[in-house]
Amino acid sequence: NAGVTQTPKFQVLKTGQSMTLQCAQDMNHNSMYWYRQDPGMGLRLIYYSASEGTTDKGEVPNGYNVSRLNKREFSLRLESAAPSQTSVYFCASSEALLEGGYTFGSGTRLTVV
Amino acid sequence: QKEVEQNSGPLSVPEGAIASLNCTYSDRGSQSFFWYRQYSGKSPELIMFIYSNGDKEDGRFTAQLNKASQYVSLLIRDSQPSDSATYLCAVNTRSSASKIIFGSGTRLSIRP
Repeated sequence: NAGVTQTPKFQVLKTGQSMTLQCAQDMNHNSMYWYRQDPGMGLRLIYYSASEGTTDKGEVPNGYNVSRLNKREFSLRLESAAPSQTSVYFCASSEALLEGGYTFGSGTRLTVV
Repeated sequence: QKEVEQNSGPLSVPEGAIASLNCTYSDRGSQSFFWYRQYSGKSPELIMFIYSNGDKEDGRFTAQLNKASQYVSLLIRDSQPSDSATYLCAVNTRSSASKIIFGSGTRLSIRP
């Protein structure tokens, strides 16, 4: 019963470094999402993948890239980290979005110094 | 205008009372509406969804939807200290059918 698994849970990067956040789900969901959450800003969509083989930009895609590796896995890459990317990142997945909403991972707390 | 708006709170409610959380949305074509609860330092968890006008009840929680007024609310009866959390309203809009737009959340505090 793992649900949605995100790694790592915490990360500190220096400005300009790169990293990949990993996400995997074992619920056979078609759609996967990456959100960031900042104080007072709520959850903002970075990228999503409605189905295997497709990815689309969300509200705040600049500075990020994604890969839908297979049906289970959806990774988020920061090519050159900036302090403005300090945030909590959540991966989520869904099957029947209209009725079921999302299942979220436990989050990655990223600090860029 | 934000697509989904909530009062940030904090909303303070005595234990045992009814907590009422409100949310408005801008897209009249919105189809599904969700309430998530998020404890501090944790990920959001889905507690209710509704897509028809009227009320939907699940235990101590009631979601209310009024599409004409573009308004969705969450009532929590017999509030408990464990209900203290941030409540996120989310909407699946016509313009973003494959994803959900979130409000910024209302912080609820239940005082003993």
